[in-house]
Amino acid sequence: GAGVSQSPSNKVTEKGKDVELRCDPISGHTALYWYRQSLGQGLEFLIYFQGNSAPDKSGLPSDRFSAERTGGSVSTLTIQRTQQEDSAVYLCASSKGLATYEQYFGPGTRLTVT
Amino acid sequence: TQLLEQSPQFLSIQEGENLTVYCNSSSVFSSLQWYRQEPGEGPVLLVTVVTGGEVKKLKRLTFQFGDARKDSSLHITAAQPGDTGLYLCAVHLHAGNMLTFGGGTRLMVKP
Repeated sequence: GAGVSQSPSNKVTEKGKDVELRCDPISGHTALYWYRQSLGQGLEFLIYFQGNSAPDKSGLPSDRFSAERTGGSVSTLTIQRTQQEDSAVYLCASSKGLATYEQYFGPGTRLTVT
Repeated sequence: TQLLEQSPQFLSIQEGENLTVYCNSSSVFSSLQWYRQEPGEGPVLLVTVVTGGEVKKLKRLTFQFGDARKDSSLHITAAQPGDTGLYLCAVHLHAGNMLTFGGGTRLMVKP
């Protein structure tokens, strides 16, 4: 079956521009997670959704970051006024529910801010 | 200081050699996971260990959870080039099921 997909695979943007990253989870998975992977910080949690709600936004690095999920499926991570330190690979994962341990990761979006 | 400390950070070996990588913490965990990540891909779950002292085998990979559930090791026997990748340990900390990762061990196996 289809796995988690993310788009675009690569994004180059100028400092100060807004970007939107998309995640399509595995069909039927109710939980969705966003992580960021950078050389300096490793792989860090950003935000998760159970259905359409995001109970914990504490991992978002600044108020320039926001995420939404509609229809319990597709999620969008938006970064406003991008900065060079936002350059990283943004990974999305989904799982059947919060009670299950297995998360399935997408291939990520590599964001480069110039 | 990271919650999960992985060592070594980098490891380059010849095909056929054995190796062990470590994931250490001062905290106790109810379970711990190991992932492998290849370039351009997301991490893929290899194993979950839940019992102190538990040993799990996946072909040539042997995973052990420490007796006190604070640390874990991954041993690879007769490494092959296909084992090349980033090995990450991770734990669930909060009710939301999100993962906290170690810094990873980047393994290169040369033919």
